[in-house]
Parts: sequence; C-alpha cells; structure tokens
Amino acid sequence: TQLLEQSPQFLSIQEGENLTVYCNSSSVFSSLQWYRQEPGEGPVLLVTVVTGGEVKKLKRLTFQFGDARKDSSLHITAAQPGDTGLYLCAGYPNAGNNRKLIWGLGTSLAVNP
Amino acid sequence: KAGVTQTPRYLIKTRGQQVTLSCSPISGHRSVSWYQQTPGQGLQFLFEYFSETQRNKGNFPGRFSGRQFSNSRSEMNVSTLELGDSALYLCASSLVLASGELFFGEGSRLTVL
Repeated sequence: TQLLEQSPQFLSIQEGENLTVYCNSSSVFSSLQWYRQEPGEGPVLLVTVVTGGEVKKLKRLTFQFGDARKDSSLHITAAQPGDTGLYLCAGYPNAGNNRKLIWGLGTSLAVNP
Repeated sequence: KAGVTQTPRYLIKTRGQQVTLSCSPISGHRSVSWYQQTPGQGLQFLFEYFSETQRNKGNFPGRFSGRQFSNSRSEMNVSTLELGDSALYLCASSLVLASGELFFGEGSRLTVL
C-alpha cells in the first residue's frame, strides 16, 4: 500500500513557467520532508514541514503542509533548467509504532530551456 | 564537512554471486539507513542501524543483510544475487534514529547479469 501519492508522475515544462506538485495521503503525518534527486545522485533534502498549515519558502520554491497534516504541495515559480530532477516526499505516519519512513514514488520534472 | 561516501559506485555481478557495499556516514552521524531504488518501486527501505544495532528492517528476504561498525561505517551484503536485485542502492546517514532528515550518498549502481 502506497501511503504517499505524488502527482503528477511526470511533468515537462518550459523555462520560466510556474508549477505545483502534490503529495497526498489518507494518513496523518507527524512531519513531511521534500527531497530532490538528480540523475546519478542520491536525494538531497530540501525542507521539512511539521505544523499543519505551515508554509516554507526556499528561494523560488514554496512548500505547504496541509492543515490536517495529510498532504503537502511544492510550488516552483519561474522554473529553471537547474530545477530538473525527481521530487520526492517522505514522512512518518502517526499511526502505529512502526518508525519506517514512507516515500512517495516522486514527480519527475523536466524544465526545458 | 565530508558527505556520505558509498563504494563502489558501479558494479556488475552475475546471478548467484554475492556483493558487499560500503557506506561511510557524515562525521558525527550515528544512524545509517539503506534503500533500494528501482524505477518501478521507488525507494524501498532495507534497514536502519544505530550504535551498531539494527533498529528497523524493511520487507526484504534474508539474502539482504547489513552491519554497522563502531565508527558508524556500515556495510550491506546481498547473497545469491538475482536479476531483480539490479538497482541503485542508497545509503543515508542522520544524526538521530528514525529521522526523516537524511543525507544520502551518491549510491552504488548494481547490475546483475
């Protein structure tokens, strides 16, 4: 069972466009992390969101945690080719004592110059 | 501060062989996690070590094993390799156990022929 659903699965846009990717679940998460992975590399942590409704900004990237802590979004303004990569969300669900980090399958973003 | 180092970066094995992968965490990080990444399954958790003890384990067969040394370096071993074991194996370190804030190495790309 995939507890974290990411959409869209693939996204190809032109440089300068805005985009939003989503990370959704029916479970409540104590926190969510967003990572970016470039080809041939390991994922790199971008941000952690903890509080329901929280908004965090990292330059042109805006992250939001849903009020109920079941979903999150990542908005990129004026996308650049350097934003190309696989965007992954991950988190620990509140339910149970199982401390296994749950991962989404990712959104593969291509920004064309 | 040096990042997470994984060796080897690339390796090719044949079915039935075994392989050992190595991971050196960031200095001061005591937790090391291992993941298998494939295009169809995404990041699959293998196990997490903290203070030389396996603290959590994913749903992989017993052919997959690991250990952690007193200096926090970790190794994972896969015995009796199968074609389906071809994947990118990622190691991640963190300061504390069960942290969603992971620092990944570049991975070891294993191809089983």
